Amino acid sequence: DAGVTQSPTHLIKTRGQQVTLRCSPKSGHDTVSWYQQALGQGPQFIFQYYEEEERQRGNFPDRFSGHQFPNYSSELNVNALLLGDSALYLCASSLIAGITDTQYFGPGTRLTVL
Amino acid sequence: AQKVTQAQTEISVVEKEDVTLDCVYETRDTTYYLFWYKQPPSGELVFLIRRNSFDEQNEISGRYSWNFQKSTSSFNFTITASQVVDSAVYFCALSEADQAGTALIFGKGTTLSVSS
Repeated sequence: DAGVTQSPTHLIKTRGQQVTLRCSPKSGHDTVSWYQQALGQGPQFIFQYYEEEERQRGNFPDRFSGHQFPNYSSELNVNALLLGDSALYLCASSLIAGITDTQYFGPGTRLTVL
Repeated sequence: AQKVTQAQTEISVVEKEDVTLDCVYETRDTTYYLFWYKQPPSGELVFLIRRNSFDEQNEISGRYSWNFQKSTSSFNFTITASQVVDSAVYFCALSEADQAGTALIFGKGTTLSVSS
């Protein structure tokens, strides 16, 4: 049973550039959530996608956008990168329609902005 | 507003000691869910347990146990006879039922170091 996968593992960008991170959910899951984890901090919720629509959004600027595809995989896009966007980006998947809604996390993408 | 507080930033113990990680939460909802996750050095968050607000029964799973008390808004986690492999950052998280989605609100984490 494949777990949550994310790509790439690491990424280095410069200020002002744009980046796209990808996530494939755990088999059987239909919901994808994205989190940003700065060094030494807890993960912070960015947004959640269900049925290809943004279901809930955290306190992040519009530079952060996402997409969910018919196969439930998802992308996170960040435009006009800032130094402060350097962080570990975590994707989590869950099953909204199920009895439980536990989120299972992928290994993350480490983004460094220079 | 919803909030999760993990007052212990770092804990160091010697193998075989018992250790308790504290978690205090704030929510206005009557229905909510509490979670504990473990983050080893590899970075991936590993799910440990989920508790519903209407189920205060405490749970034991092997060396792990959880103490959920609504009266004090606490959801503490105890590791019995700690091992070096337990070294990791542990996060407590809250999800409220009365919202559009199921966002997790995390505490800042407690770093547990177990030495041999």
